Amino acid sequence: DGGITQSPKYLFRKEGQNVTLSCEQNLNHDAMYWYRQDPGQGLRLIYYSQIVNDFQKGDIAEGYSVSREKKESFPLTVTSAQKNPTAFYLCASTSSHYEQYFGPGTRLTVT
Amino acid sequence: GNSVTQMEGPVTLSEEAFLTINCTYTATGYPSLFWYVQYPGEGLQLLLKATKADDKGSNKGFEATYRKETTSFHLEKGSVQVSDSAVYFCALSLNSGYALNFGKGTSLLVTP
Repeated sequence: DGGITQSPKYLFRKEGQNVTLSCEQNLNHDAMYWYRQDPGQGLRLIYYSQIVNDFQKGDIAEGYSVSREKKESFPLTVTSAQKNPTAFYLCASTSSHYEQYFGPGTRLTVT
Repeated sequence: GNSVTQMEGPVTLSEEAFLTINCTYTATGYPSLFWYVQYPGEGLQLLLKATKADDKGSNKGFEATYRKETTSFHLEKGSVQVSDSAVYFCALSLNSGYALNFGKGTSLLVTP
């Protein structure tokens, strides 16, 4: 089955630690995205990548970093510089028909 | 800039009631429009889409018509079920390969 996988589903970290969220897709999509979702705020774009080895900052990139070394993979690192990292993180990829496909999400809790 | 505004929730309906969730947009070009649904603790699933004016997207009894003159894409369903309880997001895209602009989401609760 084609789709997007994110792991883990739940992640707990101590403040001051970096943490990397995984996102893998087998849909052969070129473009991939990371969104952050907070209650009542909708989805906000963190980073996106349209092709391998290239990525762009979204609306709230500060405190986050990404890499895109393979078409299938777009990991997100939440660094200790992110002031309020506790959130639900969603990865997505885009087909040639504009629609985005989402992974199941990772809920990150930082204490 | 590009933005999406949708009605605030939560919306609470009885089973078999008629549903409308309003969505209006502002865009610098001619966007494609989408409705996504999110069930608790899950990612978003595409519900329906429309890529040009007067197109009607439909899926699972839900419908929305792309109205360019009113810049709207309201979601409707004639008879909701308990299983429709979820958060619904309206979104637009101006180009393939670019991120979607999402509304803030509307929570729907359907009671038996």
